[in-house]
Amino acid sequence: GEDVEQSLFLSVREGDSSVINCTYTDSSSTYLYWYKQEPGAGLQLLTYIFSNMDMKQDQRLTVLLNKKDKHLSLRIADTQTGDSAIYFCAESSGTYKYIFGTGTRLKVLA
Amino acid sequence: DARVTQTPRHKVTEMGQEVTMRCQPILGHNTVFWYRQTMMQGLELLAYFRNRAPLDDSGMPKDRFSAEMPDATLATLKIQPSEPRDSAVYFCASGLARSGQGNTGELFFGEGSRLTVL
Repeated sequence: GEDVEQSLFLSVREGDSSVINCTYTDSSSTYLYWYKQEPGAGLQLLTYIFSNMDMKQDQRLTVLLNKKDKHLSLRIADTQTGDSAIYFCAESSGTYKYIFGTGTRLKVLA
Repeated sequence: DARVTQTPRHKVTEMGQEVTMRCQPILGHNTVFWYRQTMMQGLELLAYFRNRAPLDDSGMPKDRFSAEMPDATLATLKIQPSEPRDSAVYFCASGLARSGQGNTGELFFGEGSRLTVL
């Protein structure tokens, strides 16, 4: 079945760049997403990319998609303490079934 | 300000008791998802509905869990009987199934129902 994998933890210093990686198995994925979850809250969409794109940039966020390797990454430039959260990668195909990864807990050190 | 509403926010119950969690999706959304979040398993898909019809509940333990949408404004997730291993945060999310350009397929999450089974 479909599977989405992420590393569990990432720690960076304030002002550095963060890179969160994700791999997925469903080759029919048409949309890939990054969601952010702050403590005690639900998930919120951060950014997304269509499967026919290689890269998307949105202010401090850069999403890279390697469809051949089924690898997705999220780069956060100039990481701030407010970026500390859990980041989830998700994929969705034509059936609109959303599968999330385990989440990567980002800790930003001052 | 449209949002997904979940009740209760917190529930503590004893093993063997029935638990019902409710979700009001955003008006106009035609898909509803139930997820369970634990430290060990991450975010597990339990069930999802499109236009109130269940499309996939393969992630749900069938012997004790059931999910329904009695109408377009209410989704329920029931556990009977509850067990300590069911302790988790349960999230409901709603969205609009994509059709053509312009719809990102974004899911909108509720704040979750934190369940503790003693």
